[in-house]
Amino acid sequence: DVKVTQSSRYLVKRTGEKVFLECVQDMDHENMFWYRQDPGLGLRLIYFSYDVKMKEKGDIPEGYSVSREKKERFSLILESASTNQTSMYLCASSPLSSGSLNEQYFGPGTRLTVT
Amino acid sequence: LAKTTQPISMDSYEGQEVNITCSHNNIATNDYITWYQQFPSQGPRFIIQGYKTKVTNEVASLFIPADRKSSTLSLPRVSLSDTAVYYCLVGDRSGDDKIIFGKGTRLHILP
Repeated sequence: DVKVTQSSRYLVKRTGEKVFLECVQDMDHENMFWYRQDPGLGLRLIYFSYDVKMKEKGDIPEGYSVSREKKERFSLILESASTNQTSMYLCASSPLSSGSLNEQYFGPGTRLTVT
Repeated sequence: LAKTTQPISMDSYEGQEVNITCSHNNIATNDYITWYQQFPSQGPRFIIQGYKTKVTNEVASLFIPADRKSSTLSLPRVSLSDTAVYYCLVGDRSGDDKIIFGKGTRLHILP
């Protein structure tokens, strides 16, 4: 079974703090993704990575950065947390292939509150 | 990327078959259609994927007409535990790998 784990289920941070959200997958997947999910807005892609040290911006990268130093780990960084970054953050991974849209495996999510 | 349109919400009753339709008028030749299910406080879970005609697995069926401009996810004999948000996605892996989930369809199963 594919397992995607996220470092925390719940996190409370103060405005201006630097926040690290960690994601680890155990299936040797090449692709990893960070989404945020807000009521009424569905899932929105923040960043994704298709290889170690590679990253691509998603739809809403502003205020975020990412790090992929090892294949199994993909970190999301909030450089200076703001209240509008209060959200559910979901990490996902998928194998690399061509053709079909590959199944993404999601972690349980981290509910971040910025006060 | 092909944009998808699906109903915001649907209600149904236990034991009934539920069909959720997704429109994707500008689907490209290489695009596949994928559906995910998401329960509250969990990440989405892959349900089914297809390219054309019909695909069936132990969870659902996916019907895709010849023009591929829409697709229908069919859930047979739903139960209360099928209450979830269902997302329709369209895309392939040869592009920029961005995958748009959209807002999904909130399915509510009533007893």
